[in-house]
Amino acid sequence: DSGVTQTPKHLITATGQRVTLRCSPRSGDLSVYWYQQSLDQGLQFLIQYYNGEERAKGNILERFSAQQFPDLHSELNLSSLELGDSALYFCASSVGRVVTEAFFGQGTRLTVV
Amino acid sequence: AQSVTQLDSQVPVFEEAPVELRCNYSSSVSVYLFWYVQYPNQGLQLLLKYLSGSTLVKGINGFEAEFNKSQTSFHLRKPSVHISDTAEYFCAVSEVGSGNTGKLIFGQGTTLQVKP
Repeated sequence: DSGVTQTPKHLITATGQRVTLRCSPRSGDLSVYWYQQSLDQGLQFLIQYYNGEERAKGNILERFSAQQFPDLHSELNLSSLELGDSALYFCASSVGRVVTEAFFGQGTRLTVV
Repeated sequence: AQSVTQLDSQVPVFEEAPVELRCNYSSSVSVYLFWYVQYPNQGLQLLLKYLSGSTLVKGINGFEAEFNKSQTSFHLRKPSVHISDTAEYFCAVSEVGSGNTGKLIFGQGTTLQVKP
Protein backbone atom coordinates (compact mmCIF):
# COMPACT_ATOMS: atom_id res chain seq x y z
CA ASP A 1 0.00 0.00 0.00
CA SER A 2 1.57 3.26 -1.21
CA GLY A 3 -0.62 5.46 0.97
CA VAL A 4 -2.07 7.23 -2.09
CA THR A 5 -5.82 6.68 -2.44
CA GLN A 6 -7.72 7.07 -5.67
CA THR A 7 -11.45 6.85 -6.18
CA PRO A 8 -13.30 5.44 -7.94
CA LYS A 9 -11.34 2.40 -9.09
CA HIS A 10 -13.47 1.94 -12.18
CA LEU A 11 -15.66 4.35 -14.10
CA ILE A 12 -17.77 3.70 -17.19
CA THR A 13 -19.40 6.65 -18.84
CA ALA A 14 -20.76 7.78 -22.20
CA THR A 15 -19.17 10.08 -24.74
CA GLY A 16 -19.81 13.74 -24.07
CA GLN A 17 -20.11 13.28 -20.33
CA ARG A 18 -18.02 14.77 -17.52
CA VAL A 19 -16.34 12.85 -14.69
CA THR A 20 -14.28 13.69 -11.64
CA LEU A 21 -11.44 11.54 -10.38
CA ARG A 22 -10.28 11.98 -6.81
CA CYS A 23 -6.88 11.52 -5.20
CA SER A 24 -5.75 11.66 -1.59
CA PRO A 25 -1.96 11.89 -1.29
CA ARG A 26 0.19 10.23 1.34
CA SER A 27 0.12 11.95 4.69
CA GLY A 28 2.64 14.79 4.64
CA ASP A 29 3.08 14.91 0.87
CA LEU A 30 2.53 18.34 -0.64
CA SER A 31 2.87 17.47 -4.34
CA VAL A 32 0.25 15.65 -6.37
CA TYR A 33 0.78 14.48 -9.93
CA TRP A 34 -1.65 13.10 -12.47
CA TYR A 35 -0.64 10.65 -15.19
CA GLN A 36 -2.56 8.96 -17.98
CA GLN A 37 -1.68 5.43 -19.07
CA SER A 38 -2.96 4.14 -22.39
CA LEU A 39 -1.83 1.38 -24.71
CA ASP A 40 -0.85 3.71 -27.53
CA GLN A 41 0.65 6.61 -25.55
CA GLY A 42 2.10 4.81 -22.55
CA LEU A 43 2.45 6.78 -19.32
CA GLN A 44 1.99 10.49 -19.91
CA PHE A 45 2.40 13.26 -17.36
CA LEU A 46 -0.65 15.51 -17.19
CA ILE A 47 -0.19 18.01 -14.38
CA GLN A 48 1.47 18.67 -11.00
CA TYR A 49 0.18 20.62 -8.03
CA TYR A 50 2.31 21.67 -5.10
CA ASN A 51 0.66 22.88 -1.92
CA GLY A 52 -2.45 24.02 -3.74
CA GLU A 53 -0.79 25.68 -6.71
CA GLU A 54 -0.23 24.41 -10.21
CA ARG A 55 3.48 23.77 -10.69
CA ALA A 56 3.88 21.99 -13.99
CA LYS A 57 1.75 21.07 -16.93
CA GLY A 58 2.23 18.27 -19.43
CA ASN A 59 0.18 17.29 -22.43
CA ILE A 60 -3.11 17.88 -20.71
CA LEU A 61 -6.06 18.53 -22.97
CA GLU A 62 -8.09 21.73 -22.56
CA ARG A 63 -11.11 19.54 -21.79
CA PHE A 64 -9.26 18.32 -18.69
CA SER A 65 -8.65 20.36 -15.56
CA ALA A 66 -7.42 19.70 -12.07
CA GLN A 67 -7.14 21.35 -8.71
CA GLN A 68 -5.64 20.70 -5.30
CA PHE A 69 -7.66 21.64 -2.27
CA PRO A 70 -6.51 23.07 1.11
CA ASP A 71 -6.57 19.59 2.62
CA LEU A 72 -4.18 18.60 -0.24
CA HIS A 73 -6.49 16.15 -1.95
CA SER A 74 -6.76 16.63 -5.68
CA GLU A 75 -9.41 16.18 -8.31
CA LEU A 76 -9.02 15.66 -12.04
CA ASN A 77 -12.01 16.75 -14.08
CA LEU A 78 -12.49 15.30 -17.54
CA SER A 79 -15.24 16.79 -19.70
CA SER A 80 -16.73 16.27 -23.17
CA LEU A 81 -15.37 12.76 -22.99
CA GLU A 82 -14.32 10.95 -26.14
CA LEU A 83 -13.67 7.28 -26.77
CA GLY A 84 -9.96 8.03 -26.88
CA ASP A 85 -10.00 9.26 -23.30
CA SER A 86 -10.44 5.68 -22.13
CA ALA A 87 -7.33 4.97 -20.07
CA LEU A 88 -5.93 4.33 -16.64
CA TYR A 89 -5.47 7.56 -14.71
CA PHE A 90 -2.87 7.54 -11.95
CA CYS A 91 -2.29 9.95 -9.17
CA ALA A 92 1.09 10.13 -7.46
CA SER A 93 2.41 12.17 -4.56
CA SER A 94 5.74 13.27 -3.17
CA VAL A 95 6.93 15.29 -0.23
CA GLY A 96 8.33 18.32 -2.00
CA ARG A 97 8.27 20.15 -5.31
CA VAL A 98 11.18 18.12 -6.63
CA VAL A 99 10.47 14.53 -7.50
CA THR A 100 13.11 12.36 -5.89
CA GLU A 101 10.54 9.72 -5.05
CA ALA A 102 6.92 9.54 -6.15
CA PHE A 103 4.31 7.17 -4.74
CA PHE A 104 1.51 6.04 -7.02
CA GLY A 105 -2.09 5.18 -6.32
CA GLN A 106 -3.77 2.15 -7.83
CA GLY A 107 -5.38 4.19 -10.55
CA THR A 108 -8.85 4.85 -11.90
CA ARG A 109 -9.76 2.89 -14.99
CA LEU A 110 -11.97 5.08 -17.17
CA THR A 111 -13.96 3.51 -19.96
CA VAL A 112 -15.82 5.81 -22.33
CA VAL A 113 -18.52 4.07 -24.37
CA ALA B 1 13.66 17.54 -24.16
CA GLN B 2 14.13 14.31 -22.32
CA SER B 3 13.25 10.87 -23.61
CA VAL B 4 13.51 7.32 -22.35
CA THR B 5 13.90 4.23 -24.48
CA GLN B 6 13.38 0.75 -23.13
CA LEU B 7 15.06 -1.43 -25.67
CA ASP B 8 12.96 -4.55 -25.19
CA SER B 9 9.17 -4.60 -25.11
CA GLN B 10 9.10 -8.20 -23.83
CA VAL B 11 11.70 -10.29 -22.06
CA PRO B 12 10.92 -13.98 -21.52
CA VAL B 13 13.15 -15.78 -19.03
CA PHE B 14 13.12 -19.01 -17.08
CA GLU B 15 12.78 -19.04 -13.33
CA GLU B 16 16.08 -18.72 -11.43
CA ALA B 17 17.85 -17.33 -14.50
CA PRO B 18 19.43 -13.86 -14.48
CA VAL B 19 17.76 -11.00 -16.29
CA GLU B 20 18.66 -7.55 -17.57
CA LEU B 21 16.11 -4.97 -18.65
CA ARG B 22 17.68 -2.23 -20.71
CA CYS B 23 16.98 1.49 -20.47
CA ASN B 24 18.62 4.37 -22.31
CA TYR B 25 17.77 8.00 -21.87
CA SER B 26 18.40 11.26 -23.63
CA SER B 27 18.69 14.60 -21.85
CA SER B 28 20.62 17.85 -22.18
CA VAL B 29 20.80 18.21 -18.38
CA SER B 30 21.50 15.97 -15.44
CA VAL B 31 18.73 13.60 -14.49
CA TYR B 32 17.42 11.49 -11.69
CA LEU B 33 16.66 7.92 -12.75
CA PHE B 34 14.01 5.49 -11.56
CA TRP B 35 12.72 1.99 -12.15
CA TYR B 36 9.11 1.21 -11.34
CA VAL B 37 7.25 -2.10 -11.44
CA GLN B 38 3.56 -2.52 -12.24
CA TYR B 39 1.84 -5.78 -11.36
CA PRO B 40 -1.45 -6.58 -13.13
CA ASN B 41 -4.28 -4.29 -12.10
CA GLN B 42 -2.06 -2.37 -9.71
CA GLY B 43 -0.32 0.96 -9.50
CA LEU B 44 3.38 1.60 -9.96
CA GLN B 45 5.78 0.67 -7.20
CA LEU B 46 9.26 2.17 -6.94
CA LEU B 47 11.96 -0.50 -7.30
CA LEU B 48 15.00 1.75 -7.04
CA LYS B 49 16.31 5.19 -7.86
CA TYR B 50 19.55 6.97 -8.70
CA LEU B 51 19.88 10.52 -7.44
CA SER B 52 23.65 10.87 -6.95
CA GLY B 53 26.66 9.04 -5.55
CA SER B 54 27.42 5.42 -6.25
CA THR B 55 26.42 4.41 -9.74
CA LEU B 56 25.35 0.95 -8.59
CA VAL B 57 21.98 1.17 -6.93
CA LYS B 58 20.28 -1.61 -5.01
CA GLY B 59 16.53 -1.78 -4.73
CA ILE B 60 13.77 -3.96 -3.41
CA ASN B 61 13.14 -7.60 -4.29
CA GLY B 62 16.80 -8.24 -5.16
CA PHE B 63 16.94 -5.83 -8.11
CA GLU B 64 19.84 -3.53 -8.85
CA ALA B 65 20.69 -1.03 -11.56
CA GLU B 66 23.80 0.69 -12.78
CA PHE B 67 23.94 4.28 -13.96
CA ASN B 68 26.33 4.76 -16.87
CA LYS B 69 26.60 8.44 -17.68
CA SER B 70 28.79 8.03 -20.77
CA GLN B 71 26.36 5.57 -22.31
CA THR B 72 23.29 7.33 -20.87
CA SER B 73 21.98 4.02 -19.64
CA PHE B 74 20.35 2.70 -16.50
CA HIS B 75 19.91 -1.04 -16.95
CA LEU B 76 18.03 -3.09 -14.38
CA ARG B 77 19.33 -6.51 -13.33
CA LYS B 78 18.43 -9.40 -11.11
CA PRO B 79 20.69 -12.43 -10.68
CA SER B 80 17.88 -14.95 -10.21
CA VAL B 81 14.23 -14.26 -11.05
CA HIS B 82 11.09 -15.75 -9.54
CA ILE B 83 7.68 -16.36 -11.04
CA SER B 84 6.42 -13.51 -8.87
CA ASP B 85 8.67 -11.07 -10.77
CA THR B 86 6.37 -11.35 -13.79
CA ALA B 87 5.19 -7.79 -14.33
CA GLU B 88 5.64 -4.64 -16.39
CA TYR B 89 8.78 -2.61 -15.66
CA PHE B 90 9.14 1.08 -16.38
CA CYS B 91 12.25 3.21 -16.52
CA ALA B 92 11.76 6.93 -15.83
CA VAL B 93 13.79 10.14 -15.61
CA SER B 94 13.29 13.56 -14.14
CA GLU B 95 15.37 16.68 -14.53
CA VAL B 96 17.79 17.75 -11.79
CA GLY B 97 17.93 21.26 -10.43
CA SER B 98 15.75 24.29 -11.01
CA GLY B 99 14.19 22.67 -14.03
CA ASN B 100 12.80 19.82 -11.99
CA THR B 101 9.10 20.23 -12.17
CA GLY B 102 8.21 16.87 -10.76
CA LYS B 103 7.53 15.55 -14.22
CA LEU B 104 8.59 11.94 -14.70
CA ILE B 105 9.26 10.88 -18.27
CA PHE B 106 8.57 7.17 -18.66
CA GLY B 107 9.75 4.62 -21.16
CA GLN B 108 7.24 2.43 -22.94
CA GLY B 109 7.71 -0.42 -20.51
CA THR B 110 9.17 -3.92 -20.64
CA THR B 111 7.07 -6.96 -19.89
CA LEU B 112 9.07 -9.51 -17.94
CA GLN B 113 7.63 -13.00 -18.36
CA VAL B 114 9.14 -15.54 -16.00
CA LYS B 115 8.50 -19.12 -17.05
CA PRO B 116 8.67 -22.15 -14.75
